[in-house]
Amino acid sequence: KNQVEQSPQSLIILEGKNCTLQCNYTVSPFSNLRWYKQDTGRGPVSLTIMTFSENTKSNGRYTATLDADTKQSSLHITASQLSDSASYICVVSTNRDDKIIFGKGTRLHILP
Amino acid sequence: DTEVTQTPKHLVMGMTNKKSLKCEQHMGHRAMYWYKQKAKKPPELMFVYSYEKLSINESVPSRFSPECPNSSLLNLHLHALQPEDSALYLCASSQLAGGPQNTQYFGPGTRLTVL
Repeated sequence: KNQVEQSPQSLIILEGKNCTLQCNYTVSPFSNLRWYKQDTGRGPVSLTIMTFSENTKSNGRYTATLDADTKQSSLHITASQLSDSASYICVVSTNRDDKIIFGKGTRLHILP
Repeated sequence: DTEVTQTPKHLVMGMTNKKSLKCEQHMGHRAMYWYKQKAKKPPELMFVYSYEKLSINESVPSRFSPECPNSSLLNLHLHALQPEDSALYLCASSQLAGGPQNTQYFGPGTRLTVL
């Protein structure tokens, strides 16, 4: 069964600190993996997209990694800011159909 | 223009009302999507349109009726909804449906409350 598992479910860190969010997937056949940031009550915004051959991709203070062998991805946030408080959703696509599989997200809280 | 717009932002309706949600994009994307999202849950796919044709209907009740008048517009017609249908309704579009070009760009959503 195609699944995307994220951990932790929620995370609280102090402003300026770094953190890493995890995503494990069992989606097959794999096409690509994306990390989205979703503020409460708003639509998700794409942060990174990674295909099978890519190991690392950065977008400002966000760095995503992908290990296609172990089917794991991480999102590292450096020097966190209060505006980073949001849900971070890992989304995986297959080559088989038009659907994408969402993780349940990690709720990140940045405290001043 | 790299934006997906949705109207209205908020909608309150009774169970006997008929209303419509609208979504628009001008990025030349040929795939458009409707999602339903309850609080603290990931979005749930409802419908996918590819080249203005309905390609996926995730067994959505008939009280939700999608329409894609052209490649830039996507509507969701609502009739006889139930209170449990209250949620954030998200529209998304992607260059194509499927493959690496299916990075979906989401609109801000319509917050729907059914009384």
